[in-house]
Amino acid sequence: QKEVEQNSGPLSVPEGAIASLNCTYSDRGSQSFFWYRQYSGKSPELIMFIYSNGDKEDGRFTAQLNKASQYVSLLIRDSQPSDSATYLCAVNKPGTALIFGKGTTLSVSS
Amino acid sequence: GAVVSQHPSWVICKSGTSVKIECRSLDFQATTMFWYRQFPKQSLMLMATSNEGSKATYEQGVEKDKFLINHASLTLSTLTVTSAHPEDSSFYICSAMTSGRDTDTQYFGPGTRLTVL
Repeated sequence: QKEVEQNSGPLSVPEGAIASLNCTYSDRGSQSFFWYRQYSGKSPELIMFIYSNGDKEDGRFTAQLNKASQYVSLLIRDSQPSDSATYLCAVNKPGTALIFGKGTTLSVSS
Repeated sequence: GAVVSQHPSWVICKSGTSVKIECRSLDFQATTMFWYRQFPKQSLMLMATSNEGSKATYEQGVEKDKFLINHASLTLSTLTVTSAHPEDSSFYICSAMTSGRDTDTQYFGPGTRLTVL
């Protein structure tokens, strides 16, 4: 079982819709969970992190964490074409390197 | 805040030469930095963990004598690709870890695109 799993996509949504990106992880000791966005040819950019069960909102983005189910998701409201990118889920334990999923490609059509 | 820079942003070199890539945390101190490599349309691959003042920890399959890492200060880590060959052509990305109140967070540099002819 891979440590961090994401559906590779592509996930296609129309402009203005809600995009839902999902991620599962295998290590129950994981403590922090991150979402990065990576545009083609660029390095990853941190969107947000979450470490407590529940929802965390930041602008159009909402991260959701369910440690019992080992599941973390990212919702993007009012999706824009500029949101089209690969979204990387990452988990870690304190002081250690992030473990990345392979990423989900999101395509927002205008 | 939390800005990480890399230099150079791209480099083209001849086979057999060595290339040094610098990674700097500009507005915070990073006791730990990480080096990743990414081939086209593939996921990030962690190469090594760089700790200030100590030897780097390499991931399995990464040749430590080929990829030399030096973490000379709390704001600078360097990766030297020695005797580069075309198969080393890739996108090299560093990240620096900052410890916050709630969690440790990694911020990425903009990456260095290496092309070995």
